[in-house]
Parts: sequence; structure tokens; C-alpha cells
Amino acid sequence: EAGVAQSPRYKIIEKRQSVAFWCNPISGHATLYWYQQILGQGPKLLIQFQNNGVVDDSQLPKDRFSAERLKGVDSTLKIQPAKLEDSAVYLCASSSNADTQYFGPGTRLTVL
Amino acid sequence: GESVGLHLPTLSVQEGDNSIINCAYSNSASDYFIWYKQESGKGPQFIIDIRSNMDKRQGQRVTVLLNKTVKHLSLQIAATQPGDSAVYFCAEKNTGNQFYFGTGTSLTVIP
Repeated sequence: EAGVAQSPRYKIIEKRQSVAFWCNPISGHATLYWYQQILGQGPKLLIQFQNNGVVDDSQLPKDRFSAERLKGVDSTLKIQPAKLEDSAVYLCASSSNADTQYFGPGTRLTVL
Repeated sequence: GESVGLHLPTLSVQEGDNSIINCAYSNSASDYFIWYKQESGKGPQFIIDIRSNMDKRQGQRVTVLLNKTVKHLSLQIAATQPGDSAVYFCAEKNTGNQFYFGTGTSLTVIP
């Protein structure tokens, strides 16, 4: 069974630029999560989808972050404009039962 | 807000010894707990989980203990191997189906 795929693996941008991350969950997993993991910390949930609907986005900085999962499969997370403090690893996870989550390798974002 | 904390940020053990990683949580209503292992450059990997109606669960070389009275979770790794070196996170799911992760404990296995 293929795991969660994410791209790109690494991205370097300057502050105020925009960036987008892509996630392809495990086939058949209805629940998809985006996490932000700052160096030395645990992952922090940004947004949770159930199929193509948002379940929880209470910790998503909506003035600059947006995410979508239009067809209930792949998802994109966008940051516009980026700030220095957005430097982190962005992890995507999926689940078939909203309990056990399977994580992708993450995208490491560096904002200069 | 939620608070999931770990007692020790780093832990070093000799190869072959048992490891114990501890975690404290603050929400007594949380009903599901997970331990993850994260190696450098990779996403967290599921190790073992436990529901709040249990106090112990065993897997292959790993055991999770849940003490709801003091809101404490522990992960025990038997016969620790060099491949166990990683950062270990506990996570809790509250009644709102939100997951909160702790800061992590870095485990180093000394050959």
C-alpha cells in the first residue's frame, strides 16, 4: 500500500512570497490533516478535512494560510504572503477512521 | 487549551536496556492516545495507541501504560536497539476529535 505522498520535499522562498504544498493521501482515506512542525516542537494541527469538507481549521492563520481538498482526495496548502516564522516542516497525514494517522515525509519550508 | 507535555526532553540508554518515555496530558476528557516515532527527515510513524477505557496495551517490544488518575502516559521499549533512536511524541485526541502533540523526547541508544 502506497503511503502519503507530499511535494515538494524542500522549498526556500523569501518573505512575502507565496508557496504551495501538495498532498496525496493513502487511497480510500477520508480524513486528511495538515500539520505545522516547527523545529524542536511537536506537530500542530492546522486543518482537518473529512472528504472535501473542513472539520477543523481553528488553528489555521486564515489571513495568510489557505487549504483545499476539492475532490476529496488530493489537497493543497498555500501560504501567501509568507513570513519568517512560517519556516517549518509541513506534514500531511491521512486516516481511514479519524484515529490512526499516517504521515507523509513532510515539506521543509525555509523563509528567508 | 490543551497541554501535552513530556517529562524529559532527552533520554540516553544502553543497547539492550529497556527505555521508558513519559508524557503528561491535561485534558481528563481525552479518550484516545497515540505514541509516534519520528526519525530525522521523516514524518511521524505510528507505534501504538490506547483508548481511555484501557490502562495497558502491548505491541511488539513496546508497551503503553495509561494512568487516568494522574493523567500520565508512558511508552516502554524492551531491549532497546540502535534503530530505536528517534524523537518520540505522545498525542491525545480530545472529545472534539482534535489531536494535540507533545514536545517530544529524543531517545539515543548507545551501542
